[in-house]
Amino acid sequence: AAGVIQSPRHLIKEKRETATLKCYPIPRHDTVYWYQQGPGQDPQFLISFYEKMQSDKGSIPDRFSAQQFSDYHSELNMSSLELGDSALYFCASSLTGTPYNEQFFGPGTRLTVL
Amino acid sequence: AQSVTQPDIHITVSEGASLELRCNYSYGATPYLFWYVQSPGQGLQLLLKYFSGDTLVQGIKGFEAEFKRSQSSFNLRKPSVHWSDAAEYFCAVGAGGGTASKLTFGTGTRLQVTL
Repeated sequence: AAGVIQSPRHLIKEKRETATLKCYPIPRHDTVYWYQQGPGQDPQFLISFYEKMQSDKGSIPDRFSAQQFSDYHSELNMSSLELGDSALYFCASSLTGTPYNEQFFGPGTRLTVL
Repeated sequence: AQSVTQPDIHITVSEGASLELRCNYSYGATPYLFWYVQSPGQGLQLLLKYFSGDTLVQGIKGFEAEFKRSQSSFNLRKPSVHWSDAAEYFCAVGAGGGTASKLTFGTGTRLQVTL
């Protein structure tokens, strides 16, 4: 079965640079979520999109922005990167109305800011 | 606001021994509850989930969890632990329902298995 695809899997950036993380949800899934997991931390919700509209917002810095495109893939744009942005970024997708609204997680993008 | 507490940061068990990982949640309505496992540097794998019905749910890899509304708990259990079960375990709560809903995770419990 198709899974959530995230690219790139690893990314190394310098401070103050920008980064773009991409997420391709499972086909037919209409909702995408972004989570950030710092070293030794639990995943923290950043933002979600339903049918290309932002549906919920968590602790996402103003330096970050995200969107969901017409093909339902999503991109997380991160600017003015800081050392503290180094983390594992997960994307998850779900199909609204299914039992549990179960979220299927991608493998994550590991961002390292030097 | 929803929240999850995992009181045990780190647990060590011997291979073949039984395991119980604790999870307490706070949520105003009936919660959707999940247990995920994460190996080092890897993604999140769903072990099991609960919303309604039988309060004892079976998951993958021989894991089970019991929902106790009176105690706001959803503890994860396994009768006999294998060395490959060593990983980080996260309990999570979500609102579920008809619209997109974020998951709130606990801080995780790191399981170490000794041979």
